[in-house]
Amino acid sequence: GAGVSQSPSNKVTEKGKDVELRCDPISGHTALYWYRQSLGQGLEFLIYFQGNSAPDKSGLPSDRFSAERTGGSVSTLTIQRTQQEDSAVYLCASSTVWTGGGPTRETQYFGPGTRLLVL
Amino acid sequence: AQSVTQLDSQVPVFEEAPVELRCNYSSSVSVYLFWYVQYPNQGLQLLLKYLSGSTLVESINGFEAEFNKSQTSFHLRKPSVHISDTAEYFCAVAYKGGNKLTFGTGTQLKVEL
Repeated sequence: GAGVSQSPSNKVTEKGKDVELRCDPISGHTALYWYRQSLGQGLEFLIYFQGNSAPDKSGLPSDRFSAERTGGSVSTLTIQRTQQEDSAVYLCASSTVWTGGGPTRETQYFGPGTRLLVL
Repeated sequence: AQSVTQLDSQVPVFEEAPVELRCNYSSSVSVYLFWYVQYPNQGLQLLLKYLSGSTLVESINGFEAEFNKSQTSFHLRKPSVHISDTAEYFCAVAYKGGNKLTFGTGTQLKVEL
């Protein structure tokens, strides 16, 4: 079946502009994650959605970052007033959720990422 | 807070030689442990994971990792590498019942002829 898809694959923007990044998770996956991969750093957790529960936003680096997930499927990550330090690869992942409690034992399936460059 | 340390940013190795990629994590509670691999120009994919039970876990392509609770380590090993193993390898940890993975900074494995 289809994997996680992300769009655009590349985005170049000017400092101060807003950008929207899209993620289509695997059908049936109720858990959705956004991560950021900056040069020389590991993957940094940004936000987690699970079904209709309130999202875990603990990883968002500033209030310029926000995300939503409509209808429990597609998610959009928005970065307002972009800064050069926002340049990174933004990765989306989805997974099932273990009925015994918590999603983290489940394999996360990653999309190809959106490479964002802020000039 | 959780943290994962991958001390080696790059590991060059000749084909058919053994390799070990090191991973240490900091946690005082029960965890799940993962190795993800990113081949050139591809997305991240799961290589293997430890959830419970046997501390030695294996992947289908010959890698194995051993969970060592006393040393808080989850090193990845392969007795004989192939050119096709060239990739970046990420170790990750998650709390049981938590919401997220915490990743290390990655180790670039370069297999040479």
